Amino acid sequence: QVQLVQSGAEVRKPEASVRVSCKASGYTFKNYAIHWVRQAPGQGLEWMGWINAGNGNTKYSEKFQGRITMTTDTFATTVYMELISLRSEDTAVYFCTRDEKVLVGDSHYWYLGLWGRGTQVTVSS
Amino acid sequence: SSDLTQPPSVTVSPGQTATITCSGDALPNQYVYWYQHKPGQAPVLVIFKDTERPSGIPARFSGSSAGTTVTLTISGIQAEDEADYYCQSEDTSGTYVFGSGTQVTVL
Repeated sequence: QVQLVQSGAEVRKPEASVRVSCKASGYTFKNYAIHWVRQAPGQGLEWMGWINAGNGNTKYSEKFQGRITMTTDTFATTVYMELISLRSEDTAVYFCTRDEKVLVGDSHYWYLGLWGRGTQVTVSS
Repeated sequence: SSDLTQPPSVTVSPGQTATITCSGDALPNQYVYWYQHKPGQAPVLVIFKDTERPSGIPARFSGSSAGTTVTLTISGIQAEDEADYYCQSEDTSGTYVFGSGTQVTVL
């Protein structure tokens, strides 16, 4: 079964860090990028960045540069997202999501097609 | 990738047409993808490449593009279409961005 299984809820104090995991199964791990998207209470979806599971290349949103690190463990087919220097505004549900490809003629287009169920991260003193 | 602006909410009656816009300065050079997001569920792609509908998505969902504005139209809206809708684009450096989101209410 193709799926992404995320780690459980986390509670942190301000200035702490958190690491959320996303275990992939049912497909060839190295063939796809994994993105992280978060949704704060009452807010919309916010893209945080992606990691190429094949070569480890990353691209982060400018908003999180310097605070975010995405890594992979190929043997465990798991992607990790670490966010440091947490503040209350980082309270959100964090989703990992995988690229999917749709073909139109000879062209293909990537979209966010496979999602984890989300990990609640709460930052509170 | 530049900001994408959507109206916060749209309210329509069943059977009517909902129109959701997504505006951004870079959109003439980027494709837009539309996602439907219901509470407690994963977002679902309803339109890609501005106007293309994935298989399995009802024909009442359509997309159009004109300059810096891309539009999602839901014709003959049904109660099950009530959800949040987000546009999303990607720039040439691989940076993604979501629009601010539109809550569609069928009432």
